[in-house]
Amino acid sequence: QKEVEQNSGPLSVPEGAIASLNCTYSDRGSQSFFWYRQYSGKSPELIMSIYSNGDKEDGRFTAQLNKASQYVSLLIRDSQPSDSATYLCAVIKTGANNLFFGTGTRLTVIP
Amino acid sequence: SAVISQKPSRDICQRGTSLTIQCQVDSQVTMMFWYRQQPGQSLTLIATANQGSEATYESGFVIDKFPISRPNLTFSTLTVSNMSPEDSSIYLCSVDTVLNTEAFFGQGTRLTVV
Repeated sequence: QKEVEQNSGPLSVPEGAIASLNCTYSDRGSQSFFWYRQYSGKSPELIMSIYSNGDKEDGRFTAQLNKASQYVSLLIRDSQPSDSATYLCAVIKTGANNLFFGTGTRLTVIP
Repeated sequence: SAVISQKPSRDICQRGTSLTIQCQVDSQVTMMFWYRQQPGQSLTLIATANQGSEATYESGFVIDKFPISRPNLTFSTLTVSNMSPEDSSIYLCSVDTVLNTEAFFGQGTRLTVV
């Protein structure tokens, strides 16, 4: 079982719609969760971090964490073509200092 | 957030040669991490570089192939030694901070070995 799993996609949504990205993780004791956006040929850019159960909103982005289900998601409201990128879910496992990454979900927002 | 400068941004190298990648941070950080991202893949941790001690390597990565230096709290280098085409990847430096665990990345080094 991989530490972090994501649906690789591709996920296509029309402009203005809500994009929903999902991630599960294997280490039940994990405490820190991150979403990165990576444009082609660029390095990952941190867009959201979440540490507690529930929702965390930042502009058009909402991260949701459910530790009981070992599930974290990212919602992008009013999706724009500029949101088209690969979204990487990352987790810091119990006792570790580094990030464990999922394989990423490629999102395409269709104008 | 920390500002991380990584260089070179890209290079094309001959097989059998070595390349040293530099990572400079604008503030003192406890840990620096080196990741590899092979084409179409996610990021894999190569090693953790701590100031004043040997780097800690992940399974599948060895010091002879990827020697790392960490001379102070703002700088680290990763060398890719005796390169082969399989080493063609993006190499990324990242840091955490003392205050929180959010990790920030440099712009990456795109390496092509021919």
